[in-house]
Parts: sequence; structure tokens; C-alpha cells
Amino acid sequence: DTAVSQTPKYLVTQMGNDKSIKCEQNLGHDTMYWYKQDSKKFLKIMFSYNNKELIINETVPNRFSPKSPDKAHLNLHINSLELGDSAVYFCASSQEGGSKNIQYFGAGTRLSVL
Amino acid sequence: AQSVTQLDSQVPVFEEAPVELRCNYSSSVSVYLFWYVQYPNQGLQLLLKYLSGSTLVKGINGFEAEFNKSQTSFHLRKPSVHISDTAEYFCAVSEGAGGTSYGKLTFGQGTILTVHP
Repeated sequence: DTAVSQTPKYLVTQMGNDKSIKCEQNLGHDTMYWYKQDSKKFLKIMFSYNNKELIINETVPNRFSPKSPDKAHLNLHINSLELGDSAVYFCASSQEGGSKNIQYFGAGTRLSVL
Repeated sequence: AQSVTQLDSQVPVFEEAPVELRCNYSSSVSVYLFWYVQYPNQGLQLLLKYLSGSTLVKGINGFEAEFNKSQTSFHLRKPSVHISDTAEYFCAVSEGAGGTSYGKLTFGQGTILTVHP
């Protein structure tokens, strides 16, 4: 079984659309994260949730809204997609939110906005 | 705030040669340090981490890294690489003990290691 799974793997859409990316972890972890990897492979954290509570919210446009229905899921909803949103989005999870804890990453969702 | 600089964007080597991937960091507080590997079209996988104790840490697949506090470096090494080590490698830091960043990882720009036969 995949520890951290993201769907879809690829997402191609038009500017202005609204889309969601789903993430699920079966590791029993309390903390989940969303990262964005841009075209230059630079990885930057976007959000982090611990037990369904938002604990990290970096400077991200409010078109991006994370939703955590339970601690095993952290979905990312994006409104009014723009060309600059094209990137690979990675979900990750860790046992706790502390810095010592290893983060386990999903395989990524490649978003292309046309 | 922390920052991470990976000094080489690409490192080509021949199979069975040694390799060193360089990583320097900047932080006003103590840090924890990590190396992750990303194989093509896959997510990131932890290679090794430094939290405390011995400055030489060993990871999976024969990799090791040495934490040098005075030089604020955490270089990754392998004495003999294989074709299968071809991948992108990311150095990352998070705030150490007492930090309030809640596990936020700051990544370097990545180093593409290409192993040639």
C-alpha cells in the first residue's frame, strides 16, 4: 500500500478553472503538508495541518485553500487557476509537527494550466 | 529564517567514482538537517538526517553526510556511485530544539546527480 497517495497524478486545465488535489496517508501520522515545486525544481512549503488544525500558512494566494476532513486527509483546492500555478504539488506527512520528524512524501501532482 | 544553498546544480560522475554533493545553510538558531532524493517522476525519499550527536551520519544506499557547524555545511558523500544513484538530491533544514517552525522544511535548489557508465 502506498503510504502517502495523491490524486490525480496529472492535471491539465484551463486558466480560470477551479480544481482540487486530494491527499491521503495511511501511516497514522498527525501532521500533513503541501509543498509546491516550481519549474526550476525549487520546493517551498505552502501549508501544514496538525490533527486537522492549520499550523503553517506561508504566503500563498488565498485562491489556494487546504481542507482537512480528518487527520488522514489533506486536500488542496485552487480557485481561478492562473498560468503561474503550473507546478508539481507534493503532499507529505509526519508523525508529529515537530522538526525532528521525518516527512514522507507522495509522488506529486503535476498541474499544467493552459 | 533559514536558507539553504546547494552549490552545484548538476554533478556528472562515472560509475564507481566517489561523489560529494555540497550543501551550505544559514540560520540564526540551531537546525536539524536532512538530505532527500527524488528519482524521476517520484516523490522525495529521505536519505539521512542529522538531529544531534555524531556529526557523521550514515543513510540508505551507502550515502553519508557530515555536519560542520563552523562552516555551516552538510555535504553528502558516497565513496562509489552506481547508475541507479542517478537522481536529484535535495538538502533541507528545519529549526532545531526549541524552535517554533512546526516542522517546516526549507529546501535547497537541488543537485542533479548523473552517473555515467
